[in-house]
Amino acid sequence: QQQVKQSPQSLIVQKGGISIINCAYENTAFDYFPWYQQFPGKGPALLIAIRPDVSEKKEGRFTISFNKSAKQFSLHIMDSQPGDSATYFCAADAGSARQLTFGSGTQLTVLP
Amino acid sequence: ETGVTQSPTHLIKTRGQQVTLRCSSQSGHNTVSWYQQALGQGPQFIFQYYREEENGRGNFPPRFSGLQFPNYSSELNVNALELDDSALYLCASSPGTFTDTQYFGPGTRLTVL
Repeated sequence: QQQVKQSPQSLIVQKGGISIINCAYENTAFDYFPWYQQFPGKGPALLIAIRPDVSEKKEGRFTISFNKSAKQFSLHIMDSQPGDSATYFCAADAGSARQLTFGSGTQLTVLP
Repeated sequence: ETGVTQSPTHLIKTRGQQVTLRCSSQSGHNTVSWYQQALGQGPQFIFQYYREEENGRGNFPPRFSGLQFPNYSSELNVNALELDDSALYLCASSPGTFTDTQYFGPGTRLTVL
């Protein structure tokens, strides 16, 4: 049972553009929503995370938008750079269990 | 800040064999979670250890087992390997208190022939 649905599967953006990746969840017990970045041959690295008590969180070029009523959240990468080319995963956790449910991933390619 | 290490980096086994994967968590982290990442997919939660006790398990059969040691390092054991067990196995550690952040290691790539 896929509890976190992620789209698109792949995304190609020009350098300087905005990359947007979307996720939707089903389990209303989820209360922690991180985004991870993964390069080939590496483990996932935490980018940014949000809790449902805020609708937006920004860290540098990365912003999470969160819509609790729609059970959706998204990652925006501003001024995308070729070095941002990687696979991005959304995830969710409930009650600080630290047992993440991941989306299926989005392969981002930023063209120079 | 990460400091999770895993060994070995790569491993090739044949169907029916047993395998042990190892993880050294970041200093001070008492919670270790293991994930399986099949090619082209997101990681799937296998189980978690907190202070040497299993503290949650995902939808994996009992032939997937683990241990956590007093220094909080951990092992993942898989018996009776199947072809579908071929994947990247990730270990993630967390301080266990005041933060939900998990820090992932680089993973062990297991190939079952």
